[in-house]
Amino acid sequence: NAGVTQTPKFRVLKTGQSMTLLCAQDMNHEYMYWYRQDPGMGLRLIHYSVGEGTTAKGEVPDGYNVSRLKKQNFLLGLESAAPSQTSVYFCASSRTRGHSYEQYFGPGTRLTVT
Amino acid sequence: DAKTTQPNSMESNEEEPVHLPCNHSTISGTDYIHWYRQLPSQGPEYVIHGLTSNVNNRMASLAIAEDRKSSTLILHRATLRDAAVYYCILRDDYGGATNKLIFGTGTLLAVQP
Repeated sequence: NAGVTQTPKFRVLKTGQSMTLLCAQDMNHEYMYWYRQDPGMGLRLIHYSVGEGTTAKGEVPDGYNVSRLKKQNFLLGLESAAPSQTSVYFCASSRTRGHSYEQYFGPGTRLTVT
Repeated sequence: DAKTTQPNSMESNEEEPVHLPCNHSTISGTDYIHWYRQLPSQGPEYVIHGLTSNVNNRMASLAIAEDRKSSTLILHRATLRDAAVYYCILRDDYGGATNKLIFGTGTLLAVQP
């Protein structure tokens, strides 16, 4: 199993450009999450999904949109990138709710907005 | 979500035990204590979790105070590979239906050879 994969690994955008980050998991997990991590800080939840076709806002959702059209994929979109969105983005998945179910994280996407 | 307090950084020597403390004085009865760690340039990975009783797994042990207001992650023999940021996170695994994790800044563990 590949686990959680993220595409691309690195990206540089100009202010105002748009892009989509792709997260894929092959563990048949119901729940998926997008986090961002700024230098020296912990991860902050952007959006999450508890199943195909459903999404919800996390702590810092502004400027981002998400879609979960297929169970194995969770897309994070930036419609008009801003320098404040320069960060490392991590995707995670979890089997379902419950204390026994850990989150599995991808390797991250490093995004720079100039 | 209840908050946790961890030291910003700690140092250890290789092959010695490491005790990473976490204070959570406002923990509620339904909060589980979860530990994740983040190796350099990687995503976080699960380490261990518990509710009231001490827990052991292949990676670490978790000692939980009787009043649950603090806990300690124990690495029995630190290796260079254990150098990472360790996050102590409280999660309501009864009322919360989403398994969301709220990360603090964690403890940066340095391991000296």
